[in-house]
Formats: sequence, structure tokens, C-alpha cells
Amino acid sequence: QKEVEQDPGPLSVPEGAIVSLNCTYSNSAFQYFMWYRQYSRKGPELLMYTYSSGNKEDGRFTAQVDKSSKYISLFIRDSQPSDSATYLCAMSSRSNDYKLSFGAGTTVTVRA
Amino acid sequence: DADVTQTPRNRITKTGKRIMLECSQTKGHDRMYWYRQDPGLGLRLIYYSFDVKDINKGEISDGYSVSRQAQAKFSLSLESAIPNQTALYFCATSKGGYETQYFGPGTRLLVL
Repeated sequence: QKEVEQDPGPLSVPEGAIVSLNCTYSNSAFQYFMWYRQYSRKGPELLMYTYSSGNKEDGRFTAQVDKSSKYISLFIRDSQPSDSATYLCAMSSRSNDYKLSFGAGTTVTVRA
Repeated sequence: DADVTQTPRNRITKTGKRIMLECSQTKGHDRMYWYRQDPGLGLRLIYYSFDVKDINKGEISDGYSVSRQAQAKFSLSLESAIPNQTALYFCATSKGGYETQYFGPGTRLLVL
């Protein structure tokens, strides 16, 4: 079993819909949780960062972490065609020198 | 100019050839990483370096070697390329003690 599980999709939604992405993990030591966005033929770029449990909102993006369930989520409100990309969850812990463990990535297409 | 650059961006080589992928950064970070990305498998760590004199194997180091020529330069070599090393390769950097990594644009490698 992988340390971080993420449904690869693909996910196709109409413009304006809410996109819901999630990852589960098995390592209870993870403290830092990130979502990276990767456009086609580009490198991943950091989208959201959360420390420990809780919610974080940034514009149309909301990241949630539930450490008790080992489950993290990313919500995109009012999705736009420009949100079409692959979204990767990543997590790390200080005990592992902050090395990142990644999910497989979910490919999202927002239809105009 | 990009903070993390990779050369070449695309490379086609033949089985058995030795090739080198190069990464340079201007972020002033001490830590550098090499990943490969395959469809459905996400990003997997090949090697990482926390400073010029520190080199560590990641989860899939077999068939690869690295060199940290300076704080800003980290090269990945495939000693004798094989077709299953066909993948997208990313270099990333981070600042020691911080969990966020910054990625280069990637090198698309095809081994025939």
C-alpha cells in the first residue's frame, strides 16, 4: 500500500462547478500538507499549504486537513477553464527531514 | 529568469548511453532534489542533497547517480540508460528546515 493515496481521475466538470479533490495517507507522523498544481508540460507549483489539522482558504481554494482520519481535501469554488491541471497532494514531517511524499495526482478538466 | 532551471528540456537517447541532466537554482537554497514522474505513480524521489557534501539516496536510486558541484548546481546521471527510465524528471529545491519545495520545469527523457 502506498503511503499517500490519491485518485488519479480524470475529473471533468463544467465551468463554475465546485471541484473536490482528496488524499488519504497512512503515516501519522505527517505534519505538513501541501497541494501542488501542475499544468501540462510544466513543473509543479505550490498552491496551498497547511500545517497540522484545520482549514485554510485562499480565494477560490480551500484546503482541509483531518489528521484523525488521515484525510486531506482541496476544494476549488467557481472553477474556471484555467484551473484545468493535475493536482498533487504532498505531505512531510520534521522527523523525515521534511522530505515530501506525493500522491499520484488527479487530472482535472474544467469545461467552458 | 526562472529560479530553478533544468537542461536539457527534452532528450532522446539510446539504450546503453550515459546521459546527464543538469539543474541550477538562484533561490539560494541549500537543499536540492531529483524526482521522476510517471503516469499514475506521481513523483518519486531519486536522490537528494542537503548541502554540497551531503548526498542521499531516495526511494528509486538504482541506475542513477548524482553530483552536487556547488550549492546552486545538482546533476543527475543515467550511467547506462534503459527504456524504463523514460520519464519526466524534475529538480526541486528547498531551504533547510522548511517543507516547501520549488520545482524546475522538467526534462522529458525518452530512452529508445
